[in-house]
Amino acid sequence: DPKIIQKPKYLVAVTGSEKILICEQYLGHNAMYWYRQSAKKPLEFMFSYSYQKLMDNQTASSRFQPQSSKKNHLDLQITALKPDDSATYFCASSRQSYEQYFGPGTRLTVL
Amino acid sequence: QQQVRQSPQSLTVWEGETAILNCSYEDSTFDYFPWYHQFPGESPALLIAIRPVSNKKEDGRFTIFFNKREKKFSLHIADSQPGDSATYFCAASDSGGSNYKLTFGKGTLLTVTP
Repeated sequence: DPKIIQKPKYLVAVTGSEKILICEQYLGHNAMYWYRQSAKKPLEFMFSYSYQKLMDNQTASSRFQPQSSKKNHLDLQITALKPDDSATYFCASSRQSYEQYFGPGTRLTVL
Repeated sequence: QQQVRQSPQSLTVWEGETAILNCSYEDSTFDYFPWYHQFPGESPALLIAIRPVSNKKEDGRFTIFFNKREKKFSLHIADSQPGDSATYFCAASDSGGSNYKLTFGKGTLLTVTP
């Protein structure tokens, strides 16, 4: 059974729209993260959360907003989408500062 | 700015050879160094990691060598197999920091030729 679930697997959006990327982990971890991977910038850290509190935000834009409704959930809301946002978005989790495990990713294409 | 540099960008070895992938870092507060591999269409998967209490970590055919003085670490893949062909990423973090952020290198595309 998958331990980290990301939905959807593929997502196509139009410029200017808003989308939410879903992440749930069933590893019992207290820390969750979002990373982004594109041809231009491989594996770039975006956010980290611990016990549902934001630890760090390395995105330059407020268009990216993480949302944690439960301790094992960390969704990513992206508003005013741009073609440059096209990338694969990976959710990851860990027990405190230890090994991070990645979910399967959501591949976002913005037209 | 925290950076992790990785080389070579691509590497081809014959089956049975040892592949050597290299990384260096700048931030002296980094104290956790994992390696991930990623197959096409899949997510990065944790392969092996080291903390600099030691300068070597082995797991089967995979060995990390760590040089704290030079701020370098490398992944050696012994007896390389075609199934090892993937992109390998090194990373680093400050485990005592407040954000648990992993800083990744740009990756090495490894091809193992039968």
